Amino acid sequence: DAKTTQPPSMDCAEGRAANLPCNHSTISGNEYVYWYRQIHSQGPQYIIHGLKNNETNEMASLIITEDRKSSTLILPHATLRDTAVYYCIVRPVSGSARQLTFGSGTQLTVLP
Amino acid sequence: GAGVSQSPSNKVTEKGKDVELRCDPISGHTALYWYRQRLGQGLEFLIYFQGNSAPDKSGLPSDRFSAERTGESVSTLTIQRTQQEDSAVYLCASSFRGRANYGYTFGSGTRLTVV
Repeated sequence: DAKTTQPPSMDCAEGRAANLPCNHSTISGNEYVYWYRQIHSQGPQYIIHGLKNNETNEMASLIITEDRKSSTLILPHATLRDTAVYYCIVRPVSGSARQLTFGSGTQLTVLP
Repeated sequence: GAGVSQSPSNKVTEKGKDVELRCDPISGHTALYWYRQRLGQGLEFLIYFQGNSAPDKSGLPSDRFSAERTGESVSTLTIQRTQQEDSAVYLCASSFRGRANYGYTFGSGTRLTVV
């Protein structure tokens, strides 16, 4: 049970913003939202995480709804190298849970 | 090292043989995870080590699978009497103290092919 729901695939034009949605309607108050991506034949790569506030780093922005039941990962200017499977994961803040649970993710294809 | 290192990167073995996969976590990372990823599928949790605590083995699919880790250093995943369904990429990840407010760093994986 991955506890998150993502669309299986999305396309985005190169240079445009890619907005990847994730539903996590059963998220608990002590759980973070994490995003990872996996480029073909590589291990997953950490992108960003957040608890309730919006977050931004050099890779992406994370927008979390006020009720925390969904979030959106934004790649502001997608490039061909951003083509990957993007995973949205929820995980408790404390160390009591011991595993990241990856679902099927969203296959993002950036088109030239 | 700078990242999580896994070896070998590729392994082809005959059905019934034992294999040993190695993971070198980032220095100082106390938490270490093993995952399996079959072709075209998501990541499947296998086992988790946190410092000197007893490992969480709840994801190991059968008693043919075992893993060890000494302290906060190298971990080995052993698969005995390999079967064709064991063919997959085996990924290792490490993090600092296993806490959610730290990202997890993955290695590039070991691609295991059982023929």
